[in-house]
Amino acid sequence: DSGVTQTPKHLITATGQRVTLRCSPRSGDLSVYWYQQSLDQGLQFLIQYYNGEERAKGNILERFSAQQFPDLHSELNLSSLELGDSALYFCASSVGTSVGSYEQYFGPGTRLTVT
Amino acid sequence: GQNIDQPTEMTATEGAIVQINCTYQTSGFNGLFWYQQHAGEAPTFLSYNVLDGLEEKGRFSSFLSRSKGYSYLLLKELQMKDSASYLCAVHSNYQLIWGAGTKLIIKP
Repeated sequence: DSGVTQTPKHLITATGQRVTLRCSPRSGDLSVYWYQQSLDQGLQFLIQYYNGEERAKGNILERFSAQQFPDLHSELNLSSLELGDSALYFCASSVGTSVGSYEQYFGPGTRLTVT
Repeated sequence: GQNIDQPTEMTATEGAIVQINCTYQTSGFNGLFWYQQHAGEAPTFLSYNVLDGLEEKGRFSSFLSRSKGYSYLLLKELQMKDSASYLCAVHSNYQLIWGAGTKLIIKP
């Protein structure tokens, strides 16, 4: 158990809908990262937050957005869903962004199926 | 640009040794991580190299050469449970750059 929690574990929804994925980082971790992993594909970095502020952006679609709240939990919002958005979405957390504190701990993931 | 290369897939025999290579070209370098990921599960941390040389941790060892932009993960006494993907990631300028991963298949 990494200490990172994600809800829900599974999500099935229809095209065009909007969903929210939730992540609670490990106690003490200030950074949260979101990743997308499609079937048999590598990890695609979406976005990073550090202590409530957006820190880095990867290949995140405009239909997707995220935020980190004062209690450090984070939410990833996916809207106008398409079949291709079906994937495992991982959240990870780390202590900070400096060298030596960058090991990322991953949550169990949310499996999103768009039908 | 930023680029990390790993072989897509490797096959090895139970009890044997396998070396998974990772080469990188990044604008900055602060360290290199190796993660293990079983199918459908979250990646888990294996090792972190900052300085050149070999870091040994049980059956797993990781090597780094910063001048060559090269790392490898060495797995000894392979077990069936080592069948997984192995991800190389470089810490560069406040972000982790991830390789696509190497799928390791272990045969009895």
